[in-house]
Amino acid sequence: QKEVEQNSGPLSVPEGAIASLNCTYSDRGSQSFFWYRQYSGKSPELIMSIYSNGDKEDGRFTAQLNKASQYVSLLIRDSQPSDSATYLCAVNMPGYSTLTFGKGTMLLVSP
Amino acid sequence: EADIYQTPRYLVIGTGKKITLECSQTMGHDKMYWYQQDPGMELHLIHYSYGVNSTEKGDLSSESTVSRIRTEHFPLTLESARPSHTSQYLCASSEVGDSGGYTFGSGTRLTVV
Repeated sequence: QKEVEQNSGPLSVPEGAIASLNCTYSDRGSQSFFWYRQYSGKSPELIMSIYSNGDKEDGRFTAQLNKASQYVSLLIRDSQPSDSATYLCAVNMPGYSTLTFGKGTMLLVSP
Repeated sequence: EADIYQTPRYLVIGTGKKITLECSQTMGHDKMYWYQQDPGMELHLIHYSYGVNSTEKGDLSSESTVSRIRTEHFPLTLESARPSHTSQYLCASSEVGDSGGYTFGSGTRLTVV
């Protein structure tokens, strides 16, 4: 059974701190991993994709992938109140025609 | 600019009416998707399409239909709207293989009264 698990939160961090969002997935053969940001009442927006083990950095965002442990994480450095949103993890699992989305983690960054 | 468009943005309609939600994309993507999402809740896949004349049911498809006559257009139809259909409907598209992830439209917020 395909599963993508995320802690629903909310994860509360103060402004300027590092926010760490985690995601685990059930299929070891998964190849593509995505993080989406979704503001309340808006549609999901792709912010990071990662395909290989290790870290991938883009500005204040770093995606980390560990296929052996079947987890992918998103770090947000210097968190800003504007980062407050729900973050969705999505995984491309072998044998499935569509991405599998987690339920999302709500992040709250307080000024 | 390549993008994905949904219309209408908001719709309030009476019970029993037939409605069609429009989705068009200019990115040349072969795959398109419809999701339903209630506020603060997870995404539920309604329908998807691999390309022209291809449609597949998702987890939540029983009360709606889709068509894919042109690559860029993927409308969703509710034959008889009910209050339980009140939700946000999100259209998305991707390249074959999903290697680049999905691009979502702005969504249609539907209210059935």
